[in-house]
Amino acid sequence: AQKITQTQPGMFVQEKEAVTLDCTYDTSDPSYGLFWYKQPSSGEMIFLIYQGSYDQQNATEGRYSLNFQKARKSANLVISASQLGDSAMYFCAMREISNAGGTSYGKLTFGQGTILTVHP
Amino acid sequence: DAGVTQSPTHLIKTRGQQVTLRCSPKSGHDTVSWYQQALGQGPQFIFQYYEEEERQRGNFPDRFSGHQFPNYSSELNVNALLLGDSALYLCASSLAAGHGVKFFGPGTRLTVL
Repeated sequence: AQKITQTQPGMFVQEKEAVTLDCTYDTSDPSYGLFWYKQPSSGEMIFLIYQGSYDQQNATEGRYSLNFQKARKSANLVISASQLGDSAMYFCAMREISNAGGTSYGKLTFGQGTILTVHP
Repeated sequence: DAGVTQSPTHLIKTRGQQVTLRCSPKSGHDTVSWYQQALGQGPQFIFQYYEEEERQRGNFPDRFSGHQFPNYSSELNVNALLLGDSALYLCASSLAAGHGVKFFGPGTRLTVL
């Protein structure tokens, strides 16, 4: 069974500094996808970044980058130049990739989340 | 381009009642998934629909059922509500042929009294 572990219940960072949110995963599947989502207090889950298990390079999306260490089974999110609006809950998730008839299905398994607070 | 929409935003029911939640996927998406998020927890997968069929199901009882319509919109039905069903219900849409990046709706907050 897949499992995602986020060991940091809460993190604090000063505005304009970088912060790393930790995520480790466990799976026996050779093919999988890793995701990070941001959930503000409004509740909507906002997609940030995706890393495929076979991707050779770490994913980057603007101020977000994913530090993917496959052998260690970790997929940490790095947020550079933090902004006050980055304060939110952050979830790491993994998608198993099961193919059937040429179509990929796959539920997301989420971690417990990390609450990030950005101080001015 | 409209994103994922869900209705209603909030809902209050009493134990034993039945509830229907609705979701319209992002334009062009053909797959809808439903998640339950209890307070302070990560979302838990309920089920996924593609081509009007349930393709995957999480560890939820049969009281939870769903449907997908030809226009890809979806409903989540919960029968015989329990206090423990109180949660934020998130709908996510994606392309079956894609990487599975899911775009989520704003959620429906269900309170069972």
